[in-house]
Amino acid sequence: AQKVTQAQTEISVVEKEDVTLDCVYETRDTTYYLFWYKQPPSGELVFLIRRNSFDEQNEISGRYSWNFQKSTSSFNFTITASQVVDSAVYFCAHIKAAGNKLTFGGGTRVLVKP
Amino acid sequence: NAGVTQTPKFQVLKTGQSMTLQCAQDMNHNSMYWYRQDPGMGLRLIYYSASEGTTDKGEVPNGYNVSRLNKREFSLRLESAAPSQTSVYFCASSETLASYGYTFGSGTRLTVV
Repeated sequence: AQKVTQAQTEISVVEKEDVTLDCVYETRDTTYYLFWYKQPPSGELVFLIRRNSFDEQNEISGRYSWNFQKSTSSFNFTITASQVVDSAVYFCAHIKAAGNKLTFGGGTRVLVKP
Repeated sequence: NAGVTQTPKFQVLKTGQSMTLQCAQDMNHNSMYWYRQDPGMGLRLIYYSASEGTTDKGEVPNGYNVSRLNKREFSLRLESAAPSQTSVYFCASSETLASYGYTFGSGTRLTVV
């Protein structure tokens, strides 16, 4: 069975600091997908990124960047120059390629103080 | 707007009461899901329906039942609510192969007293 671990339960930073969220997954699948979702205080779940297991190229999108390392089963997420609007709970998730069940980590709450 | 609609948004129940959470999607997705969210535990799958007419248990099915009424609608029923079922419930839908991820509803905050 798949397992996703987000060891950091809460991170507090001051605005403009960088924040890195850790995600470690366990799977026996050779082909799978990883996701990051954001849940702002309003409660909805917002899709951020999807990455497949064959694509280890790291990505930058604006202030967000992702570091996928298959060798260490990690899929970390960094917010550069954090803003108050980045305050949210962030979830990492895994799904096997032919599957239809997302497995979520426990989430990391990020608090960005002005 | 296209998406997943959940009702109600908030509900307070007394222990032992029953209720049904409704979910509908208008994206013609085959698969639908019910998750519960508890602090520190992320989202855990209660039940899912891979296609119309089928339902399967997820990680935490005890105390719940589901009905896939048609392709659009997937309801979650609590027959006899317990305080341990206090949680935020999310419905989601996806293509048959969900590797593109889910579309989530806005959630139902349920309190059982």
